Amino acid sequence: DIQMTQSPASLSASLGETVTIECRASEDIYSNLAWYQQKPGNSPQLLIYDANSLADGVPSRFSGSGSGTQYCLKINSLQSKDVASYFCQQYKNYPLKFGSGTKLEIK
Amino acid sequence: EVQLVESGGGLVQPGASLKLSCVASGVIFSDYWMSWVRQTPGKTMEWIGDIKYDGSYTNYAPSLKNRFTISRDNAKSTLYLQMSNVRSEDTATYYCTGGGYGYSAYWGQGTLVTVSS
Repeated sequence: DIQMTQSPASLSASLGETVTIECRASEDIYSNLAWYQQKPGNSPQLLIYDANSLADGVPSRFSGSGSGTQYCLKINSLQSKDVASYFCQQYKNYPLKFGSGTKLEIK
Repeated sequence: EVQLVESGGGLVQPGASLKLSCVASGVIFSDYWMSWVRQTPGKTMEWIGDIKYDGSYTNYAPSLKNRFTISRDNAKSTLYLQMSNVRSEDTATYYCTGGGYGYSAYWGQGTLVTVSS
């Protein structure tokens, strides 16, 4: 099974800042990686798929990058509505696996 | 607008069975692989399994495949999750998802399953 290691577990940043969340796979997942945002009390929503493709309706402040085993989600110009938990997910191989999540707060 | 609406959750005793349903609208249901994902009270996300668009093939998380069964009825645009011999560790919010090629473009609102005596 492919394991996903996500960091940090929590993150506190100021409005307007840029934040980066990382996911590391235990083997090459060939960019078969998605990022999701889950706001408090809501279901997750797709942000990024195929490592760097923005899902419909997602602001361009969000971007994904990476290859091989290392991937990043970057949020530019942090806004209060970005307060949420963020999860990565690999879909290269079964069983599909999620990262442990990153809780983002505003300082 | 795509909507996935889960139902069937609730309080269930250990060892019992439970069947969750998910009705899809705003999308051609039979075009998509569909999945179930659960989130524990501690917020851990766990992929349960998925089913091919025509229902002919399923994949499961190894730890769950002996107790959970995914099926679908394309005529009713409905996805199912049959859970058997439930345990306390099955307590979670269960999400119906679909719309992507491995990833989940659409998510339901979730249905809470609590396993307790």
